[in-house]
Amino acid sequence: AQTVTQSQPEMSVQEAETVTLSCTYDTSESDYYLFWYKQPPSRQMILVIRQEAYKQQNATENRFSVNFQKAAKSFSLKISDSQLGDAAMYFCAYRWIGGGADGLTFGKGTHLIIQP
Amino acid sequence: GAGVSQSPSNKVTEKGKDVELRCDPISGHTALYWYRQSLGQGLEFLIYFQGNSAPDKSGLPSDRFSAERTGGSVSTLTIQRTQQEDSAVYLCASSLGLAGGGSTDTQYFGPGTRLTVL
Repeated sequence: AQTVTQSQPEMSVQEAETVTLSCTYDTSESDYYLFWYKQPPSRQMILVIRQEAYKQQNATENRFSVNFQKAAKSFSLKISDSQLGDAAMYFCAYRWIGGGADGLTFGKGTHLIIQP
Repeated sequence: GAGVSQSPSNKVTEKGKDVELRCDPISGHTALYWYRQSLGQGLEFLIYFQGNSAPDKSGLPSDRFSAERTGGSVSTLTIQRTQQEDSAVYLCASSLGLAGGGSTDTQYFGPGTRLTVL
């Protein structure tokens, strides 16, 4: 079974600084996808960024980028120029396509606090 | 609609009662997913629909939980004889699925239903 581990229950960063959220996962599959989702207090899960395992290039979306290390099974999220609106729970998620199993496996989440 | 909608937003029920939670996916999305988010267990995958079929029901916690999808659109998650441990936020998501032609299609989430069992 796949597992996703987020070792930082909470992180705090000053506004405009850079913060990195950690995620590791365990899988025996070679073809899969990784995601970071953001969940503000409104409960709405919002996709931040995604990475296909077969791509060596790290994904980037504006201020958000990932460091994907497939051999180490690591998938960290870097947020540059942190803004107050970035405050939320961040979930790392894994997805394998095969055998009809199409659900996401989530980590426990990291609560990100932005200090003004 | 513009996004995934869920109803009710909040539901309070008494132990032993049955509840129905509804999900309206994004128009045109053939894949639909249910997840449960609780303090103790985090986010758990419950069930996945491709069209009206559910190829994977392994995530349903017990036989008190069932789900159906009709017309390839609206889905209902039913919990029978609710227990206090069923209290959680139930999230629904949809994606293009097979209609999207690829396997990297994004799951878009609804705002969830907060279920409280007294």
